[in-house]
Amino acid sequence: SQQGEEDPQALSIQEGENATMNCSYKTSINNLQWYRQNSGRGLVHLILIRSNEREKHSGRLRVTLDTSKKSSSLLITASRAADTASYFCATRANQAGTALIFGKGTTLSVSS
Amino acid sequence: ETGVTQTPRHLVMGMTNKKSLKCEQHLGHNAMYWYKQSAKKPLELMFVYSLEERVENNSVPSRFSPECPNSSHLFLHLHTLQPEDSALYLCASSQEWQGDEQFFGPGTRLTVL
Repeated sequence: SQQGEEDPQALSIQEGENATMNCSYKTSINNLQWYRQNSGRGLVHLILIRSNEREKHSGRLRVTLDTSKKSSSLLITASRAADTASYFCATRANQAGTALIFGKGTTLSVSS
Repeated sequence: ETGVTQTPRHLVMGMTNKKSLKCEQHLGHNAMYWYKQSAKKPLELMFVYSLEERVENNSVPSRFSPECPNSSHLFLHLHTLQPEDSALYLCASSQEWQGDEQFFGPGTRLTVL
């Protein structure tokens, strides 16, 4: 069954506001990754957080991981119209030989 | 862009046609992947190649046939497809199989009539 599931499915905000997306997963993980996809394009890796990390920053991105709740959040601060895209979490299970499993994504619209 | 290219970018084919999708990575990676992305569904992993050997095949119908002639090139051969096979097909690569970060190509938008 699906490992990562994002919430909300869609999010609309104004430029300058913060956007928060959540990801829940089911099994023990080695790491969790966030990817962005602009409409009809390939995915771009944003950030990776390992199971022994609780928070990570990259520019305007902040990712948290709560392994006790099996959840992660992606915060985009001071959003811009160019942040309009779909955002996916992907989990790598702890088991050897397992593939990266993607969720259905959150579609973010940032209007100017 | 990301060092992974895919051709063609768009493809329309009939159910009786045979076509191939091509992926090339210029990153020196050892693993390559084919994914299918359909509307409202999670990304589905189809095939994984590591050092030109197939390491994963996720119960994909035989009308999809992958080929990896070398570590830089990956093909997906298509024949007698169904309309429900219409989707965005994404190729990705990573340094190693189960490497931390995957690099994606722009995808091929496939429409089966």
